[in-house]
Amino acid sequence: AQKVTQAQTEISVVEKEDVTLDCVYETRDTTYYLFWYKQPPSGELVFLIRRNSFDEQNEISGRYSWNFQKSTSSFNFTITASQVVDSAVYFCALSEASDYKLSFGAGTTVTVRA
Amino acid sequence: GAGVSQSPSNKVTEKGKDVELRCDPISGHTALYWYRQSLGQGLEFLIYFQGNSAPDKSGLPSDRFSAERTGGSVSTLTIQRTQQEDSAVYLCASSSDESGRWETQYFGPGTRLLVL
Repeated sequence: AQKVTQAQTEISVVEKEDVTLDCVYETRDTTYYLFWYKQPPSGELVFLIRRNSFDEQNEISGRYSWNFQKSTSSFNFTITASQVVDSAVYFCALSEASDYKLSFGAGTTVTVRA
Repeated sequence: GAGVSQSPSNKVTEKGKDVELRCDPISGHTALYWYRQSLGQGLEFLIYFQGNSAPDKSGLPSDRFSAERTGGSVSTLTIQRTQQEDSAVYLCASSSDESGRWETQYFGPGTRLLVL
């Protein structure tokens, strides 16, 4: 069963628009971590954020913000005032207490047009 | 500091040949992971190392795949008798894992393998 679902395959926006990426996860563990990674055209996965299951506080880092809601098993990611450099594939991932590995969603391709 | 490095960046091989992919983790990181990224399957876990031992090999797709880690540092992923379905990007990650699980995994640039 898919543990992490990113329903949006591709999103295209014009520069300065906001874009929100959805992530829904599934786990029976009460302790787990959620992650977002960015994969630019160069191919390297770049870590953006880690959030544990006991901390539902939203987080903001510059133009990036994350909304974690355990009630809906969602960990959504918003880019505010998008820029061309934000164009990349974004992956949501889950790490469970019973496992060492990351389970990734399928990824969302974001294209920001000038 | 230096990040995770992988070599080669690209590898083209003929079906049936063996290939070796190398990963140098971040200095001091005790945990090392291999993943595979392909168009049809997305990002898949292959194997996890803690030090030189591999407590989780559950993701290796067949017995043609093996990996080792020496000196708690460099790791080599070997694919024997390569098949066209092995074509993918092979990603290595490392984490400090000092407190157990769920430490952030930092990824290398990957090795793009093409089997002709």
